[in-house]
Amino acid sequence: DQQVKQNSPSLSVQEGRISILNCDYTNSMFDYFLWYKKYPAEGPTFLISISSIKDKNEDGRFTVFLNKSAKHLSLHIVPSQPGDSAVYFCAARSFNQFYFGTGTSLTVIP
Amino acid sequence: DAGVIQSPRHEVTEMGQEVTLRCKPISGHDYLFWYRQTMMRGLELLIYFNNNVPIDDSGMPEDRFSAKMPNASFSTLKIQPSEPRDSAVYFCASAPGQAYGYTFGSGTRLTVV
Repeated sequence: DQQVKQNSPSLSVQEGRISILNCDYTNSMFDYFLWYKKYPAEGPTFLISISSIKDKNEDGRFTVFLNKSAKHLSLHIVPSQPGDSAVYFCAARSFNQFYFGTGTSLTVIP
Repeated sequence: DAGVIQSPRHEVTEMGQEVTLRCKPISGHDYLFWYRQTMMRGLELLIYFNNNVPIDDSGMPEDRFSAKMPNASFSTLKIQPSEPRDSAVYFCASAPGQAYGYTFGSGTRLTVV
């Protein structure tokens, strides 16, 4: 059973606009959330994280929002750049184990 | 540090053959994870080790899959016999602690024909 879901397999955005990637989860015991970015032929790399005690974490162009009541996580990229084109995975931690979503492929159009 | 190193990068094998995937974790990382990436299920955890000891192998799909970690710097994932449905990208990851984010290798793309 998929505890972490990314319901949009793909997303296309114009360069300079905002990219919003979404993630939903079912397990209320998740206490830590991460986003990974994956380029073709490479392994996923850590992008940004947020603890369940916060509702927002920002790092440059990347901001992660957490809505615990809705069990929803989102990643905002502003402004989007062509180099942001990649697959993005969200991950959530429960009892020291991480669960990953299926990924969203982002394409930023120049 | 060179990061997590996996070999081979690509493997094409015939159904029924034995396949061995290799991983060298980051030095000092006590946790090693094997994941499989598929379109339907994303990144699935197959097995993980702590200090070379397998802790949870509940994600291993069936007895055809086995993993070992003979020392802190090397792990293998073996599939015997391989089947076409095993075709996927297999990732190894390591971490200094279980609660930390993982560092992934570049993956092995396995194709079983």
